[in-house]
Amino acid sequence: ETGVTQSPTHLIKTRGQQVTLRCSSQSGHNTVSWYQQALGQGPQFIFQYYREEENGRGNFPPRFSGLQFPNYSSELNVNALELDDSALYLCASSLGGGTQWDQETQYFGPGTRLLVL
Amino acid sequence: AQSVTQPDIHITVSEGASLELRCNYSYGATPYLFWYVQSPGQGLQLLLKYFSGDTLVQGIKGFEAEFKRSQSSFNLRKPSVHWSDAAEYFCAVATPNTGNQFYFGTGTSLTVIP
Repeated sequence: ETGVTQSPTHLIKTRGQQVTLRCSSQSGHNTVSWYQQALGQGPQFIFQYYREEENGRGNFPPRFSGLQFPNYSSELNVNALELDDSALYLCASSLGGGTQWDQETQYFGPGTRLLVL
Repeated sequence: AQSVTQPDIHITVSEGASLELRCNYSYGATPYLFWYVQSPGQGLQLLLKYFSGDTLVQGIKGFEAEFKRSQSSFNLRKPSVHWSDAAEYFCAVATPNTGNQFYFGTGTSLTVIP
């Protein structure tokens, strides 16, 4: 039990729609990272937020966006859904600034499985 | 660019047998190295990590990993596997000059037979 929760657990959308996924970090964790895990693949880094500001981004288009709130919750928004967006979306929280990985640990949530039809 | 390779897509071992999962990385210097385990319906759980010092790292659940700079490897081992170890295992790398990005391998699926 990592203390990181995600909602919903499963979601079905159609191509072109928009989706919002939610994550609740451990209390006190200032950093949240989002990952996309396609079937049979490892997680791919989407972006990271530190104290409500984007703090790094992977190779994902701008239709992937996020928000982080002061209450340690965060959102991943995906616009204009494509079939290839079908995946497990993971969030991970950590205490510090998300760069000193020798001193801190990411705690992952169970994920939201998104299916785009 | 940084990359992580897990050559074994799937491994089957008998309960009580030893286990070694392979991981190779591509990076010019010593990165931060991690092993995570993912069980169905569960998030990724950190087993162990290496960033400097002793190249043999002990983790949770009886796992250990050895960093070998000359081979750019960070293989995960367990002397005696339990049925509950059946899961997906991911090796990951984070590098000082990419700050906050984790790079994950494609994973190794472990099946444990009685």
